[in-house]
Amino acid sequence: TQLLEQSPQFLSIQEGENLTVYCNSSSVFSSLQWYRQEPGEGPVLLVTVVTGGEVKKLKRLTFQFGDARKDSSLHITAAQPGDTGLYLCAGLNAGNMLTFGGGTRLMVKP
Amino acid sequence: KAGVTQTPRYLIKTRGQQVTLSCSPISGHRSVSWYQQTPGQGLQFLFEYFSETQRNKGNFPGRFSGRQFSNSRSEMNVSTLELGDSALYLCASRPPGVETQYFGPGTRLLVL
Repeated sequence: TQLLEQSPQFLSIQEGENLTVYCNSSSVFSSLQWYRQEPGEGPVLLVTVVTGGEVKKLKRLTFQFGDARKDSSLHITAAQPGDTGLYLCAGLNAGNMLTFGGGTRLMVKP
Repeated sequence: KAGVTQTPRYLIKTRGQQVTLSCSPISGHRSVSWYQQTPGQGLQFLFEYFSETQRNKGNFPGRFSGRQFSNSRSEMNVSTLELGDSALYLCASRPPGVETQYFGPGTRLLVL
């Protein structure tokens, strides 16, 4: 069974602070996706990283895929209250199945 | 294009009953996956259907079943409900050849 561990599970920060969320596994994934979920809604895809060592930027969000394609990180610069939500990483395996991490619940206080 | 729709949005059942949840994918998407989300276990994959055939299955008991119709709409059924089946059930669809999954808002099931 492929497992993805996310850390931290919970994060409460002040507006303007930076933060990093980690997603780690002992397994290799063909790609890794990051989602954000708000209460009462389904997860929404933020980014997909495919190549080992790849870095993608989405405004204030920076996503990195580890060289060995086993881990990933999400860095948010100058967090805003609108960034509040549940951040989920998900790895896609060779069988085309998504395995989700446990999620990081982020709260950004104004 | 309309997004993935799920009905009903909320459901309350009692132990031992059965329930059927419905999912309408985005037009043109033929793959539909179902997930169970709970605070303790997170998001867990139930099964995936493509062209009316189950293509992948997660590690859930046989009480959980699903099907897909020729118009790609999908239903999942849970029989003999248990308290632990209380969860948010999410459906996701994706277009051919693309890994991105588009999730619906979910059906929140409460088993009493």
